[in-house]
Amino acid sequence: GDSVTQMEGPVTLSEEAFLTINCTYTATGYPSLFWYVQYPGEGLQLLLKATKADDKGSNKGFEATYRKETTSFHLEKGSVQVSDSAVYFCALSPLNAGGTSYGKLTFGQGTILTVHP
Amino acid sequence: EADIYQTPRYLVIGTGKKITLECSQTMGHDKMYWYQQDPGMELHLIHYSYGVNSTEKGDLSSESTVSRIRTEHFPLTLESARPSHTSQYLCASSEIRDEQFFGPGTRLTVL
Repeated sequence: GDSVTQMEGPVTLSEEAFLTINCTYTATGYPSLFWYVQYPGEGLQLLLKATKADDKGSNKGFEATYRKETTSFHLEKGSVQVSDSAVYFCALSPLNAGGTSYGKLTFGQGTILTVHP
Repeated sequence: EADIYQTPRYLVIGTGKKITLECSQTMGHDKMYWYQQDPGMELHLIHYSYGVNSTEKGDLSSESTVSRIRTEHFPLTLESARPSHTSQYLCASSEIRDEQFFGPGTRLTVL
């Protein structure tokens, strides 16, 4: 079945450090890929997405590139801030051969990021 | 901005009580979902709906039930709550595309 694997956390960084959170996936079909962020006490928010190979999603300084050859969608940010402290989830939504979504997301286990001043 | 609401935000109840967690969205989305989130953060899909009068069980078996009588409303019910039901419950909705919009969650504690 479909699955998403994220790097083990928690990740602790100093402000302005470079961030990478690894995400790899296995899926049948042609999945769309997502990063969601969950701030303390809140639900999940979409951070960025990519729907086909070599697409780059970006938002709020975060980027991730859909790499079909390595089945990866690693999240990066050049300079993290204290306000980026949150839990980050990688997710996929498989599409069938006709390009229609099955409508369900498969999530990774989440990575806790803590940024210190 | 996504408009999806969950009530209550926090609930502490005793074992054996019947509870209903409310979820409403004002975006007219056909698809709605309930997730259970572990203390370790992992999300598990427990129910979903593709429209009115459509409900399906998710990947994680759950003793809860859901109904979808109106497009905007997707309540989750536990007939007899137990301590093992203590968790965070997240509701989400989506349109034709894949992006899911999440509510703020309900943190349930069963004593």
